[in-house]
Amino acid sequence: GESVGLHLPTLSVQEGDNSIINCAYSNSASDYFIWYKQESGKGPQFIIDIRSNMDKRQGQRVTVLLNKTVKHLSLQIAATQPGDSAVYFCAENGSGNTGKLIFGQGTTLQVKP
Amino acid sequence: KAGVTQTPRYLIKTRGQQVTLSCSPISGHRSVSWYQQTPGQGLQFLFEYFSETQRNKGNFPGRFSGRQFSNSRSEMNVSTLELGDSALYLCASSIDRGNEKLFFGSGTQLSVL
Repeated sequence: GESVGLHLPTLSVQEGDNSIINCAYSNSASDYFIWYKQESGKGPQFIIDIRSNMDKRQGQRVTVLLNKTVKHLSLQIAATQPGDSAVYFCAENGSGNTGKLIFGQGTTLQVKP
Repeated sequence: KAGVTQTPRYLIKTRGQQVTLSCSPISGHRSVSWYQQTPGQGLQFLFEYFSETQRNKGNFPGRFSGRQFSNSRSEMNVSTLELGDSALYLCASSIDRGNEKLFFGSGTQLSVL
């Protein structure tokens, strides 16, 4: 079945370092991918998205990389700050154009001061 | 612009009861989706509404239902509550049907005793 997975349930980094959160997806038909950040007691917050016609997209301190050959997605956070501590989810649109997202299990990012 | 608003924030119910959750999408957004989030299953798609019609449905029993009003506001209902229905219920809106860029509310935390 369809699934989106993250390689590590927990990632611990030092404040100021760069963070890389990985995600593997299984549906070759997916053409839209999105990263969310979820802090305790809040809903998922949009970070950045990418379509399958792109390999890389940059935002403010964040970069998403897409490797369609190996069905891999990553989120890079530059100069990680304590406020970046949260659970990060990747999601894909599966067979597409349905408005439905398929979510991975999430990676908890812990930032050490 | 105000974000997605969900009410109530917390609910405690007992088995067998029913519950109605409310969601107001971002102004101008016409599509509303609902997700269930649990520690074990993660984020799972419930249904999507657009133009007051259910457009897509996830793999949940018929006890889970919803509706959308002409102003795009949405409600979801769970009847005959079971212990396993305890979860965070998230509403998300997007600007149009099939648009997967979802913006989430903070959710309704439902506890079934």
